[in-house]
Amino acid sequence: GAVVSQHPSWVICKSGTSVKIECRSLDFQATTMFWYRQFPKQSLMLMATSNEGSKATYEQGVEKDKFLINHASLTLSTLTVTSAHPEDSSFYICSEEGGTDTQYFGPGTRLTVL
Amino acid sequence: AQKITQTQPGMFVQEKEAVTLDCTYDTSDPSYGLFWYKQPSSGEMIFLIYQGSYDQQNATEGRYSLNFQKARKSANLVISASQLGDSAMYFCAMGAGGTSYGKLTFGQGTILTVHP
Repeated sequence: GAVVSQHPSWVICKSGTSVKIECRSLDFQATTMFWYRQFPKQSLMLMATSNEGSKATYEQGVEKDKFLINHASLTLSTLTVTSAHPEDSSFYICSEEGGTDTQYFGPGTRLTVL
Repeated sequence: AQKITQTQPGMFVQEKEAVTLDCTYDTSDPSYGLFWYKQPSSGEMIFLIYQGSYDQQNATEGRYSLNFQKARKSANLVISASQLGDSAMYFCAMGAGGTSYGKLTFGQGTILTVHP
């Protein structure tokens, strides 16, 4: 199966700074990748669909100017949390499709904003 | 819109016994896929099992089986012969519509604790 990596695995930043999270497909060319967010003890919520070479599609309620997504190549999608605040502290996890019955998830990135 | 409901916040099971984790779903789309994932404390999402809406047989993967009751819109996960390493959060998820199920809707999750 496909392997998806994320970097960094955890990050601590000060309020007001921006943080970039990378999601990389190691052995699969992914035209579409997905970004989820998971608050502590809660479920995963889809934030956006990352499309290679075009704009991302954001779910309702997700601020596209705050969560910038770039999918410049078939193997890399990045999520930038701009002007991060403590309420943005969460577990961010990406995934890619491997077919109708398969979804490969990255290991996740734990963001803590002080 | 799709909805997944997991009504068991926590479940306890004795090692080597079987346990059923409940999941009900709702969608107006005739084509959908149901997934179960395990999330240990590390946070990684481990794929367990998949059931397509048109699959006639219940899916099985080793010790995992999915009790798919389409009329009741339920997709319960059965774990046989529980092991201590099965202790984790379990999520039921659904993708619907189109030719792929990349956008998943997740349930609230069930924390499973396996006692020795």
